[in-house]
Amino acid sequence: GQQLNQSPQSMFIQEGEDVSMNCTSSSIFNTWLWYKQDPGEGPVLLIALYKAGELTSNGRLTAQFGITRKDSFLNISASIPSDVGIYFCAGLRGTGKLIFGQGTTLQVKP
Amino acid sequence: EAGVTQSPTHLIKTRGQQATLRCSPISGHTSVYWYQQALGLGLQFLLWYDEGEERNRGNFPPRFSGRQFPNYSSELNVNALELEDSALYLCASSPRTGVETQYFGPGTRLLVL
Repeated sequence: GQQLNQSPQSMFIQEGEDVSMNCTSSSIFNTWLWYKQDPGEGPVLLIALYKAGELTSNGRLTAQFGITRKDSFLNISASIPSDVGIYFCAGLRGTGKLIFGQGTTLQVKP
Repeated sequence: EAGVTQSPTHLIKTRGQQATLRCSPISGHTSVYWYQQALGLGLQFLLWYDEGEERNRGNFPPRFSGRQFPNYSSELNVNALELEDSALYLCASSPRTGVETQYFGPGTRLLVL
């Protein structure tokens, strides 16, 4: 099925470092969402973006909705061990169907 | 406020059997969505129900079906199970029809032997 291009696929960083990941698509979306998933659990919503150009923060997390509506990025500042997990971007066009990226696996070394 | 709940947490079936998975949305949410997360295949959209009607369907065979009840809870049925149906099945809900942020439940892990 259709997926967004999410990169990087995985990251291994030192605690305290900043992290950046992004998603791109050939199609436009009305909504961009970022989720975090821990092993064996459901995705947890981190940030929702509804307008092109929108920049939204949630604690140490910041995400932006690209002005072309075809991309989005997520930044995590000052990473901590509990940031470990898989991060997914997802796009929504109003058909109820979320299109997901392949995920970015983040590992943080204390 | 309670989140999306799913049952059972784990389900083991054999090939050819039927599986029924259940989902209760967040209170006040009328839309329910089902996704399959199989190893190596990412999260794939299965079905969307709103107000008791199927609104959209992903690229899955007809043996994947479901329904939504008047209280907005939902069931996903998988008939004639195949080994490749083994996956984490996730349910999500949203307040309105298809345009709102989706909130996920913990999932049901289905293993087909």
